[in-house]
Amino acid sequence: GESVGLHLPTLSVQEGDNSIINCAYSNSASDYFIWYKQESGKGPQFIIDIRSNMDKRQGQRVTVLLNKTVKHLSLQIAATQPGDSAVYFCAENRGPPPRDGGTSYGKLTFGQGTILTVHP
Amino acid sequence: KAGVTQTPRYLIKTRGQQVTLSCSPISGHRSVSWYQQTPGQGLQFLFEYFSETQRNKGNFPGRFSGRQFSNSRSEMNVSTLELGDSALYLCASSLGQGGEQFFGPGTRLTVL
Repeated sequence: GESVGLHLPTLSVQEGDNSIINCAYSNSASDYFIWYKQESGKGPQFIIDIRSNMDKRQGQRVTVLLNKTVKHLSLQIAATQPGDSAVYFCAENRGPPPRDGGTSYGKLTFGQGTILTVHP
Repeated sequence: KAGVTQTPRYLIKTRGQQVTLSCSPISGHRSVSWYQQTPGQGLQFLFEYFSETQRNKGNFPGRFSGRQFSNSRSEMNVSTLELGDSALYLCASSLGQGGEQFFGPGTRLTVL
């Protein structure tokens, strides 16, 4: 039968504008959140992460905001450039504690992704 | 420092066959996780290995299996391939104790 793909949200911006990409997560027990960028033909590339005991973290041109009350995560990209065009994924860690009792961040649950297109 | 490498990059198989994919993590990384990416389901976690032991497992049938070697290199195997197994299979490595995960370029598997 015909497969139905995910309908990814899209965001189109002009070069130099600020971009905001949003993500809702489902598990209030998640304690680690990450934003990844995936360009065509490549694997996801780490952008920035945030722990659940924080509500804001800044990197180079990027800021992640975490609102645990409404289980919402956002990625802000300042002065967006054409090279920022990609699919952006949020991911959360909500795996059960591994048998060895250590902390495992190896099981990430990804959001559906947002396509960002930056026009010169 | 070399990144995560995956081999092969592209693979074509027919239904019923089996396939083995390989992942070499970044030097010093002990955790390797595998993900399946499809247009229909997005990125889904398959399993994670740490120090040669499976530490976490996703909701995939038993046809999907993996292992990790003493040098942290990992392989995943899919037996009795189905059309729906066509996907990009991604491997990610990390230090394993809460560190950032670095992804490889993936292996594109097509099942005919």
